[in-house]
Amino acid sequence: SQQGEEDPQALSIQEGENATMNCSYKTSINNLQWYRQNSGRGLVHLILIRSNEREKHSGRLRVTLDTSKKSSSLLITASRAADTASYFCATDRNSGNTPLVFGKGTRLSVIA
Amino acid sequence: DGGITQSPKYLFRKEGQNVTLSCEQNLNHDAMYWYRQDPGQGLRLIYYSQIVNDFQKGDIAEGYSVSREKKESFPLTVTSAQKNPTAFYLCASSIRSRGSNQPQHFGDGTRLSIL
Repeated sequence: SQQGEEDPQALSIQEGENATMNCSYKTSINNLQWYRQNSGRGLVHLILIRSNEREKHSGRLRVTLDTSKKSSSLLITASRAADTASYFCATDRNSGNTPLVFGKGTRLSVIA
Repeated sequence: DGGITQSPKYLFRKEGQNVTLSCEQNLNHDAMYWYRQDPGQGLRLIYYSQIVNDFQKGDIAEGYSVSREKKESFPLTVTSAQKNPTAFYLCASSIRSRGSNQPQHFGDGTRLSIL
């Protein structure tokens, strides 16, 4: 039961450039979360945006949410080689107290 | 330091054998989760538990079993009925969801392979 779907599947950029990843989902949500996974490691929570929020910032991360289009984007500004990782969005399955559903992720490579 | 510890990091299973993956957390979280990650398929939910002595099946529970006898521990057994167990297994925990999902904290995973 895949809810969120990231786009693109893979992204390669030069250090210093901005990276934008998108997530689309199907049903209404309470919140949407973004996670990062370094190769061979567990996921790390980056940011949570609630359904009544449109934009949220955390350091070099900027997340937007458009509930009318059922989509979210994650922008990483001034990327660094250390940002190389996979990025996942996660949403509710439907409104209420149900476990998160993760997308398949975007693999970001930042070339020094 | 609070966190989640998964062990072992690597595990090999012989055919017909049951194996148990350990997950321990000291974050005082009520909820715990097990996911399976295959290349290119993201995370799929196996089982989850919102409170001690209670757990629910996720999307791919067949061939797996869990127990939740203590708040800190949520072991996963991969049984011989799971015919394709080779994958990366991730355990996570969170404070209990009340109407909306909370951020999850993950361990560093166990990589299971067939001998």
